[in-house]
Amino acid sequence: KAGVTQTPRYLIKTRGQQVTLSCSPISGHRSVSWYQQTPGQGLQFLFEYFSETQRNKGNFPGRFSGRQFSNSRSEMNVSTLELGDSALYLCASSLGQGSGNIQYFGAGTRLSVL
Amino acid sequence: GESVGLHLPTLSVQEGDNSIINCAYSNSASDYFIWYKQESGKGPQFIIDIRSNMDKRQGQRVTVLLNKTVKHLSLQIAATQPGDSAVYFCAEFPNQAGTALIFGKGTTLSVSS
Repeated sequence: KAGVTQTPRYLIKTRGQQVTLSCSPISGHRSVSWYQQTPGQGLQFLFEYFSETQRNKGNFPGRFSGRQFSNSRSEMNVSTLELGDSALYLCASSLGQGSGNIQYFGAGTRLSVL
Repeated sequence: GESVGLHLPTLSVQEGDNSIINCAYSNSASDYFIWYKQESGKGPQFIIDIRSNMDKRQGQRVTVLLNKTVKHLSLQIAATQPGDSAVYFCAEFPNQAGTALIFGKGTTLSVSS
């Protein structure tokens, strides 16, 4: 069974631009969560989608948004990029939502904002 | 606030030794815990999980211990190998509406042969 696939693996953008990252979950998984990983802040939760609905949201500004499609694939968008948005963005999928569901991670998208 | 922390940012061991990585959590409402391993250039990889109604769970070469009294988790790796070198994260899931998996800062395990 294929794992979680994230595209692209690397991105370089400039301040003010916007970016869209894609995540394909493990087949059969309906929940997709997004995390931002930086050396200073570690892994921080962005949001979770289940059945095309955002179920949970972390403490990030509105420039960060996401969506989930009927096939459970998910995208996240960051608008008006700032230098501080440079990070590894990780997507994780799980069978269900909430406690007790193992989250399996993709390799991430490395975003560099210049 | 809610946080999961690790006692040591780095741990260095010799090949063949047993490794113990510790983690303290702060939310007594957490009822599910996961250990992840992250190698350079990769996403976190699931190692083992444990629910709060258990105090020990064993996998292949790994054991997780949970002490709810002092809100402490540990990951024990038996016969540590060079391939175990990575950053290890514990994560907790509070059993509260609207919450998500909370990660600790991570411990970097270095195994020398």
